Amino acid sequence: KAGVTQTPRYLIKTRGQQVTLSCSPISGHRSVSWYQQTPGQGLQFLFEYFSETQRNKGNFPGRFSGRQFSNSRSEMNVSTLELGDSALYLCASTGGPGLAGHNEQFFGPGTRLTVL
Amino acid sequence: GQQLNQSPQSMFIQEGEDVSMNCTSSSIFNTWLWYKQDPGEGPVLLIALYKAGELTSNGRLTAQFGITRKDSFLNISASIPSDVGIYFCAGPDSNYQLIWGAGTKLIIKP
Repeated sequence: KAGVTQTPRYLIKTRGQQVTLSCSPISGHRSVSWYQQTPGQGLQFLFEYFSETQRNKGNFPGRFSGRQFSNSRSEMNVSTLELGDSALYLCASTGGPGLAGHNEQFFGPGTRLTVL
Repeated sequence: GQQLNQSPQSMFIQEGEDVSMNCTSSSIFNTWLWYKQDPGEGPVLLIALYKAGELTSNGRLTAQFGITRKDSFLNISASIPSDVGIYFCAGPDSNYQLIWGAGTKLIIKP
């Protein structure tokens, strides 16, 4: 079955703009998590959505937001972009909390965001 | 909150060498996961461990779930050039949110 897809793969924006990134999970998966990864850094958790509801949230400012649709596709939005927002944004999908194998996240290729 | 400490931070290896890395925590984990990330790509799950003391292999990779449930180890035997990348350990907290180590970067010696 098809893997996790993320669009776009690359994006260049300028400071102050906003951006929306999209993630389509593996078919049948209902949980989507978003991560930010900067060069040399590990994965910083942004938020997780399950059944259209935000289940967990990391320590990021309110400029970072997300949502999930009824078909489990998810979007994340960053408003008023800053230079420090330049990063690889990854999304991962799983079946859902409490389900067997839920902890085994499957990642998309990421969206590389560059803020100038 | 819970943290995972991964070491070493980076390793220079020569082709054919065996590699060892580990992940430790001050808290107990019920699951340990090992991922590998190639440059510009998302992490890929290598091995999942669910039971204390468990030893699981995936080709040349072997991972162990520590008896104390506070650590895990990943070994790569007879490394090859495509083994380079960043290896992450991860484990779920009580809310099923994955906690991640900072990664071990494997680099091939020139």
